Amino acid sequence: AQKVTQAQTEISVVEKEDVTLDCVYETRDTTYYLFWYKQPPSGELVFLIRRNSFDEQNEISGRYSWNFQKSTSSFNFTITASQVVDSAVYFCAPPLDKLIFGTGTRLQVFP
Amino acid sequence: NAGVTQTPKFQVLKTGQSMTLQCAQDMNHEYMSWYRQDPGMGLRLIHYSVGAGITDQGEVPNGYNVSRSTTEDFPLRLLSAAPSQTSVYFCASSYVPFYGYTFGSGTRLTVV
Repeated sequence: AQKVTQAQTEISVVEKEDVTLDCVYETRDTTYYLFWYKQPPSGELVFLIRRNSFDEQNEISGRYSWNFQKSTSSFNFTITASQVVDSAVYFCAPPLDKLIFGTGTRLQVFP
Repeated sequence: NAGVTQTPKFQVLKTGQSMTLQCAQDMNHEYMSWYRQDPGMGLRLIHYSVGAGITDQGEVPNGYNVSRSTTEDFPLRLLSAAPSQTSVYFCASSYVPFYGYTFGSGTRLTVV
């Protein structure tokens, strides 16, 4: 069965710290994609990015960067110089005919 | 307005009552799904559909029914509400899952 694991339940950092969130997708597929979503305190789900497992290069968008580590089958999401507005729950999910979400990582950024 | 529309936004039910949460999209999306999110938890799949007339169960289907008679609508029915169904419900749709899903704004349901 396919399973999405976000082992980090909650992370707290002080503003301007870098923080990395991890996601592992267990599947028999040799290549696959993963979505990242952000859910701020207001509750809506915001799509951030789609990443694939066959490209280990970093993808960077502003303060956000993503990469895939083949050795651990882990998708990493890094926020550089975190800000209070980054406080949210971050989910990952593979783009299947339905979304199977990880349990999410709650990020709290303190001023 | 293009997007996924969920109604109502808030609802309070008494135990044993039934109701239907509405989800509608005008983007001609074949893929639609329902999720529930309990406080401090992730989103769990209730039911999903890959096209009109086709539905399937997700992780937590008990106590809920769905039907998909049109491409646009995917209502979620609570047969006999229980306090354990107190949650926020999200509906999502997609034309091609690879390109992403669009989410509704959610329905906050409280069962007393």
